Amino acid sequence: EDKVVQSPLSLVVHEGDTVTLNCSYEVTNFRSLLWYKQEKKAPTFLFMLTSSGIEKKSGRLSSILDKKELFSILNITATQTGDSAVYLCAVSLIQGAQKLVFGQGTRLTINP
Amino acid sequence: DSGVTQTPKHLITATGQRVTLRCSPRSGDLSVYWYQQSLDQGLQFLIQYYNGEERAKGNILERFSAQQFPDLHSELNLSSLELGDSALYFCASSVGDRGYGYTFGSGTRLTVV
Repeated sequence: EDKVVQSPLSLVVHEGDTVTLNCSYEVTNFRSLLWYKQEKKAPTFLFMLTSSGIEKKSGRLSSILDKKELFSILNITATQTGDSAVYLCAVSLIQGAQKLVFGQGTRLTINP
Repeated sequence: DSGVTQTPKHLITATGQRVTLRCSPRSGDLSVYWYQQSLDQGLQFLIQYYNGEERAKGNILERFSAQQFPDLHSELNLSSLELGDSALYFCASSVGDRGYGYTFGSGTRLTVV
């Protein structure tokens, strides 16, 4: 069964800290890994990673994929209270169901 | 506004009842996906439609069904509701049928009492 596991499930840090969120996966027919940010309702897209070792960056957020070790990390530097959210990792598959397999999410809380 | 519209935003209903959730995809998107998000589980894929046809099925209960209409909006029908069906139901859409470029709607929060 396809599986995506995120850690930690919950994280509380102070504003200005740097955080690293982890995502490991065991799936057949991997195509890409995606990160989403979910605040109140709809998950919003952050990154899509398809190749190992190539860092994707957007402002204070960055992410990288390791297809050999089957994991990805999402880094957030100089955290702000607005970064508080649930961060979801999902894997897209090449064949079969055109679905995303999601992890449980990491609930990140940034305290001022 | 993501462009994916879901109605209603909230729904409270009793056990045993039937409800219909509606989703209008982003303009130009042909695929619609339905997901269920419970408190104790992450987002679980239910079903995908592409241009009116069912394309993929996940762990969707037999009590649940969906369809996509010619104007590409989709409806998810949930019947014989149980307390455990209480969840956030998300619709997402994409241009093609391969899951790229997902855009999620804001979800419908269903509470079964």
